[in-house]
Amino acid sequence: QQQVKQSPQSLIVQKGGISIINCAYENTAFDYFPWYQQFPGKGPALLIAIRPDVSEKKEGRFTISFNKSAKQFSLHIMDSQPGDSATYFCAARGWAGGSYIPTFGRGTSLIVHP
Amino acid sequence: NAGVTQTPKFQVLKTGQSMTLQCAQDMNHEYMSWYRQDPGMGLRLIHYSVGAGITDQGEVPNGYNVSRSTTEDFPLRLLSAAPSQTSVYFCASSRAMASGGNEQFFGPGTRLTVL
Repeated sequence: QQQVKQSPQSLIVQKGGISIINCAYENTAFDYFPWYQQFPGKGPALLIAIRPDVSEKKEGRFTISFNKSAKQFSLHIMDSQPGDSATYFCAARGWAGGSYIPTFGRGTSLIVHP
Repeated sequence: NAGVTQTPKFQVLKTGQSMTLQCAQDMNHEYMSWYRQDPGMGLRLIHYSVGAGITDQGEVPNGYNVSRSTTEDFPLRLLSAAPSQTSVYFCASSRAMASGGNEQFFGPGTRLTVL
């Protein structure tokens, strides 16, 4: 049972273009939605996150759009750069078994061509 | 701060062997967890701990044991390695999520191959 569905699995974008990665969730009790960025051979690192009481959050070239009614959220990377080439994971956090547990999407491999 | 450290970086085991993956953090984080990362499967939670002496199972706990005797350390034990456990393992830590801790800090990973 996949609680957070992420698409696409892979994405190729030209330098300067917009990269868009989408996630959908099922559990309406999720209360925190982070995006992690992972470079090859490294562990994931928090990129940007949003709570369900706001519809958009922007940090530099990275923006999360959140649609609570549709249970969807997306990451937009504006002016994509070759250095943005990485794997991106969305996640959603919910309460389970006495603790908050994050559930991750399956990841999107982004390649930005120069 | 060293953050989250994991040892070893690489390991090759034969089927049936046992081993312990080490994880330590120096940020005084209450919450620690282990994930495995497989191609196309994302990060799947194996076990987690909300504090010293407290552990619980995640999504894929079979074949793995954990213990949390100190705040700093959270080792993952493979009891009898199987080829299906070939994966990259990540340890992560964060402040207690119930008190506002949100960001998980991941270690560099251990790449395990079971022959």
